Amino acid sequence: QQKVQQSPESLTVSEGAMASLNCTFSDGTSDNFRWYRQHSGKGLEMLVSIFSDGEKEEGRFTAHLNRASLHVSLHIREPQPSDSAVYLCAVSMKGNYKYVFGAGTRLKVIA
Amino acid sequence: EAAVTQSPRNKVAVTGGKVTLSCNQTNNHNNMYWYRQDTGHGLRLIHYSYGAGSTEKGDIPDGYKASRPSQENFSLILELATPSQTSVYFCASGVIRDISNERLFFGHGTKLSVL
Repeated sequence: QQKVQQSPESLTVSEGAMASLNCTFSDGTSDNFRWYRQHSGKGLEMLVSIFSDGEKEEGRFTAHLNRASLHVSLHIREPQPSDSAVYLCAVSMKGNYKYVFGAGTRLKVIA
Repeated sequence: EAAVTQSPRNKVAVTGGKVTLSCNQTNNHNNMYWYRQDTGHGLRLIHYSYGAGSTEKGDIPDGYKASRPSQENFSLILELATPSQTSVYFCASGVIRDISNERLFFGHGTKLSVL
């Protein structure tokens, strides 16, 4: 069964510094990767999706995928205090509706 | 932006009682999902549905039933609630943009406490 692990568990960065979050998965046939953000007490907001090796940029959010290394990362450029939230990695296979989520990284951005 | 509405937002139940969590989406999405979120586990899939009348077991279906009476509504039912089912429950609906992609829209969650 797919295992998705995120690191670090929590991260504090200064406003304007790059924030980097990591996600590893166990099933090398996975090809559908999402990063979600969850503000406290709220639902999940999708930030970026990526399906092939390389990078995908959506505004200040960039996902990097290396399937050979079973690794997908999220980089947040110029983070702001409003980006403080829990970030979740979700992995599935195309055509398979069952996403497996990581436990999340809690990001705090300080002014 | 697609809207997914969950009710109630908070619920306190007693052990052995019946609990029904409701989810409504008004965007004509075929797929709907129920997840629970617990510290250290992320979101885990309980049940999902491909359309009205269909329900499928997710990864942790034991102790839960689901009902999809219409395209818009998807309920999660705990017939005999237990304290281990204390959690935050999220409903999501999905729209397929192409054959390789599906976007999920999440509700705000229901916090359930079973005493």
